[in-house]
Amino acid sequence: GNSVTQMEGPVTLSEEAFLTINCTYTATGYPSLFWYVQYPGEGLQLLLKATKADDKGSNKGFEATYRKETTSFHLEKGSVQVSDSAVYFCALSPNFGNEKLTFGTGTRLTIIP
Amino acid sequence: NAGVTQTPKFQVLKTGQSMTLQCAQDMNHEYMSWYRQDPGMGLRLIHYSVGAGITDQGEVPNGYNVSRSTTEDFPLRLLSAAPSQTSVYFCASSNGQGLTDTQYFGPGTRLTVL
Repeated sequence: GNSVTQMEGPVTLSEEAFLTINCTYTATGYPSLFWYVQYPGEGLQLLLKATKADDKGSNKGFEATYRKETTSFHLEKGSVQVSDSAVYFCALSPNFGNEKLTFGTGTRLTIIP
Repeated sequence: NAGVTQTPKFQVLKTGQSMTLQCAQDMNHEYMSWYRQDPGMGLRLIHYSVGAGITDQGEVPNGYNVSRSTTEDFPLRLLSAAPSQTSVYFCASSNGQGLTDTQYFGPGTRLTVL
């Protein structure tokens, strides 16, 4: 079956530090890959996505590249801000439809001023 | 345009009680889903629907029922609550038009079963 593995949290960084959150996946075929973000007290919202190998998703300074050869979709940001503090979820959807997302366990990120 | 709404926000039940978590969306989305979020386990799919009158089981369906009589509403029923169902429940919807489609999540319902 499909699965997503994320790096263990929590992660604490200083403002303006470089961020990497690792995500690897197992899936048959060619899934689409997503990063969702959950701010305190809110539901999840899509941060970025990629639908085929070598695609790069980007939004709000975050980037992730779909690497089929390493089955990875690592999230990066060059300079984090306090407002980036949240829980980040990597997810995939199978290549026949996106109604059945498979999520990673989430990584809690805290940015200190 | 309210997006995806869920009620109630918080609920405490006793073991054996039943209740319905409400979910509604005003985006005319075909796909709707229910997830539960537990510490260290991410989100797991409970049930989903690809249109009115059509539902199917997800990864963890036991103890939950759903129905989809309209496009807008997708209630989740707990028939006899158990402490193992203590969790945060999220409803999501999407327009189901392809692999790149975005799922929109509601704000969640925090359920405690004593």
